[in-house]
Amino acid sequence: AQTVTQSQPEMSVQEAETVTLSCTYDTSESDYYLFWYKQPPSRQMILVIRQEAYKQQNATENRFSVNFQKAAKSFSLKISDSQLGDAAMYFCAYRSMNRDDKIIFGKGTRLHILP
Amino acid sequence: KAGVTQTPRYLIKTRGQQVTLSCSPISGHRSVSWYQQTPGQGLQFLFEYFSETQRNKGNFPGRFSGRQFSNSRSEMNVSTLELGDSALYLCASWDRAALGAYGYTFGSGTRLTVV
Repeated sequence: AQTVTQSQPEMSVQEAETVTLSCTYDTSESDYYLFWYKQPPSRQMILVIRQEAYKQQNATENRFSVNFQKAAKSFSLKISDSQLGDAAMYFCAYRSMNRDDKIIFGKGTRLHILP
Repeated sequence: KAGVTQTPRYLIKTRGQQVTLSCSPISGHRSVSWYQQTPGQGLQFLFEYFSETQRNKGNFPGRFSGRQFSNSRSEMNVSTLELGDSALYLCASWDRAALGAYGYTFGSGTRLTVV
């Protein structure tokens, strides 16, 4: 069974600095999707960035980028120029490309932004 | 496009009662998933529906059931409520043809409290 592990329950970063959130996963499949979701206090899960496993190039969305290491099964999220609005719970997630599979979430990392 | 709409946002029920939660997906999305989120267990998969058919089911007791209508709207029902059913219930919809591009879109959830 696939698993997703986020080893940092909480992290803090100074505003305008850079922070990296770690995520590792375990799977025997070769085709899958990886996601980072953000959940602010409003509760809604917001997609931050996604990566398809067959793409070697790391995904980037504005201040957010990933370091995808397929062989190491690692998918870390880097947030540059941290802003107060980035404070939230961040979830790493895995989904097989099988049509009827489910998303598997890590336990999450709570990110605090220090002014 | 309107987002994923979940109703109600908050619900308080008594042990032994039953409850029905509703989810309206993004227009055009035929896939809907339900997740239970608790501080202790994190996000756990409940069910997945596609075109009115349940395609996947999580490891929850039979008290948890769901269905999807022809307009893709979905409901989940919990019968004989227990204190441990108190949680945030999240619904997500997605386009199977564009999963890698857009991921799952989540609603704001229904906060269920069982007293």
